[in-house]
Amino acid sequence: GAVVSQHPSRVICKSGTSVKIECRSLDFQATTMFWYRQFPKKSLMLMATSNEGSKATYEQGVEKDKFLINHASLTLSTLTVTSAHPEDSSFYICSARGGGTYEQYFGPGTRLTVT
Amino acid sequence: AQSVAQPEDQVNVAEGNPLTVKCTYSVSGNPYLFWYVQYPNRGLQFLLKYITGDNLVKGSYGFEAEFNKSQTSFHLKKPSALVSDSALYFCAVRLTGANNLFFGTGTRLTVIP
Repeated sequence: GAVVSQHPSRVICKSGTSVKIECRSLDFQATTMFWYRQFPKKSLMLMATSNEGSKATYEQGVEKDKFLINHASLTLSTLTVTSAHPEDSSFYICSARGGGTYEQYFGPGTRLTVT
Repeated sequence: AQSVAQPEDQVNVAEGNPLTVKCTYSVSGNPYLFWYVQYPNRGLQFLLKYITGDNLVKGSYGFEAEFNKSQTSFHLKKPSALVSDSALYFCAVRLTGANNLFFGTGTRLTVIP
């Protein structure tokens, strides 16, 4: 199946700093990418959907100025958590879907810890 | 509004026994249905999907699921469970023409040796 990578896999940052997470589709062109947040023992919460070259569409309750998403190419999307706070600590997962396909392929996730 | 329900937070089954992980959905229109598995500290891995056609779909690692339109269910099954099947399983639905997936709350499967 298609491969999606995320970098970094784990990151610890201090409160007030910004953190960038990269999501790459390695062997297919991702026309649409998704960013999810997963709390312990909880389901995935969709944060935003982005199409290549367009602004991301954020879900209700997700601050677009805090969670900056850039989908600059068909193989790369980035999520930047700005001015991070401890409550932003979570597991962030991206997924990607190629044009005309049904499946979403998920990255391995990034564990963010804000101290 | 669409929703996906996984009524069991936890399912325990003995190795070698058949397993079932339940999923029901509520959507307007025709859904696309998916099952994903998640191992600790990992992303989700696609298991199988139902788009159209035969109600019984077969997927990875010996898993299968049956789409039941009248009961609006899409239960995941495997005839003989392995210890390595122990993981978190998510059911998801996507509406025709929509972009994103709606996930159930997940079911933790534990296969007991």
